Amino acid sequence: AQSVTQLDSQVPVFEEAPVELRCNYSSSVSVYLFWYVQYPNQGLQLLLKYLSGSTLVKGINGFEAEFNKSQTSFHLRKPSVHISDTAEYFCAVPYGGSQGNLIFGKGTKLSVKP
Amino acid sequence: NAGVTQTPKFQVLKTGQSMTLQCAQDMNHEYMSWYRQDPGMGLRLIHYSVGAGITDQGEVPNGYNVSRSTTEDFPLRLLSAAPSQTSVYFCASSYGTGSYNSPLHFGNGTRLTVT
Repeated sequence: AQSVTQLDSQVPVFEEAPVELRCNYSSSVSVYLFWYVQYPNQGLQLLLKYLSGSTLVKGINGFEAEFNKSQTSFHLRKPSVHISDTAEYFCAVPYGGSQGNLIFGKGTKLSVKP
Repeated sequence: NAGVTQTPKFQVLKTGQSMTLQCAQDMNHEYMSWYRQDPGMGLRLIHYSVGAGITDQGEVPNGYNVSRSTTEDFPLRLLSAAPSQTSVYFCASSYGTGSYNSPLHFGNGTRLTVT
């Protein structure tokens, strides 16, 4: 069975500072990895995904993630955060049964302070 | 575009009551699913559907029923609510019968409290 572990439940950071949100996965099959973001009182939306190819994946809002097979990681990074990046971020892997089904990590709450 | 619409936004039930959470999408997506979100637990898949007349169970299906009579609608039924079902429920859909290339589109959620 596939699973993801998000190592930090909360990450406070000051505006314009860099940030890294950590995600480790376990999988015995082909690896597909996703990051979703949830702004307050909203549903989730896709930030970026890794399906194959380049290990550095760029997403929306200036975020990027690097797939590292040897370390089984897919950490999310942004070089300079804004107040508007305050949200909860979820790493996810396929669940099975359908390509729409995902298993989500427990989430990391990013809090950007002025 | 309305996208994925969930109703109601909030609901309070007493233990043992039944209710249906509504989900509708106007994007002609074949794939639809229900997740529940609990603090510190992330989102867990309850049920999913890859088209009208086809449904299947996810990670945590117990206590929930679904049906899919049309492409647009995917209601979630709680037959006898329990306090353990207090949660925020999200409906999601995606293009086709589900594809890693197609993102999930989420509704804004229904916050359910069972007392």
